Amino acid sequence: DIQMTQSPSSLSATVGDRVTITCRASQSISTSLNWYQHKPGTAPKLLIYAASSLQSGVPSRFSGSGSETDFTLTISSLQPEDFATYYCQQTYSTPRELTFGGGTKVEIK
Amino acid sequence: QVHLVQSGAEVKEPGASVKVSCKASGYIFTSYRIHWVRQAPGQGLEWMGSIWPVDGNTQYSQKFQGRVTITRDTSANIAYMELSSLSSEDTALYHCARDWGYNSGGKWYSRFDSWGQGTLVTVSS
Repeated sequence: DIQMTQSPSSLSATVGDRVTITCRASQSISTSLNWYQHKPGTAPKLLIYAASSLQSGVPSRFSGSGSETDFTLTISSLQPEDFATYYCQQTYSTPRELTFGGGTKVEIK
Repeated sequence: QVHLVQSGAEVKEPGASVKVSCKASGYIFTSYRIHWVRQAPGQGLEWMGSIWPVDGNTQYSQKFQGRVTITRDTSANIAYMELSSLSSEDTALYHCARDWGYNSGGKWYSRFDSWGQGTLVTVSS
């Protein structure tokens, strides 16, 4: 199975900060990588698909990059509504074993 | 507008089974794979399995193979997830999600674009 490792597991930031989250795959997954935002008590929200494509309706301050094994989610200017947990997900092995990373919790400094 | 509405919270004893439903509306149910994802308290998201509603083809995570069964009722646009031999470690919030997949350059890309609200399953004696 493909393992996904996110870092950091948590971070503290201030409104307006540039935030970067990384995700590493245990083997090459091309660009088969999605990013989700998850807030407690709500359903996860798709932000980025295919490593760098912005899902419709998602603010342009979110961006994704990377390929093969190393990927990055960047929030260019953190907003109050962005405090949440972010997960990467590999879909290279779709429809089997679509594993998620462990999550990165973005907290208010 | 796409909606996935799940059944209500469940409390089960260890060793029992639970069946959670996910009713889809706002799109052609048989055209999109449905996945099940869970989140245990304090843990991350965990993929459990999926079903292709048009033919009932299923895929399961190796972790849950033998304990999970995903089915669908195409006449009612409902997907089901049944988990058996429950233990306290199965206490979690269970979500269904639609896979708005697409083909690009000969490769299939999956993306979970719509999610159910979640069903809390509590396993306790």
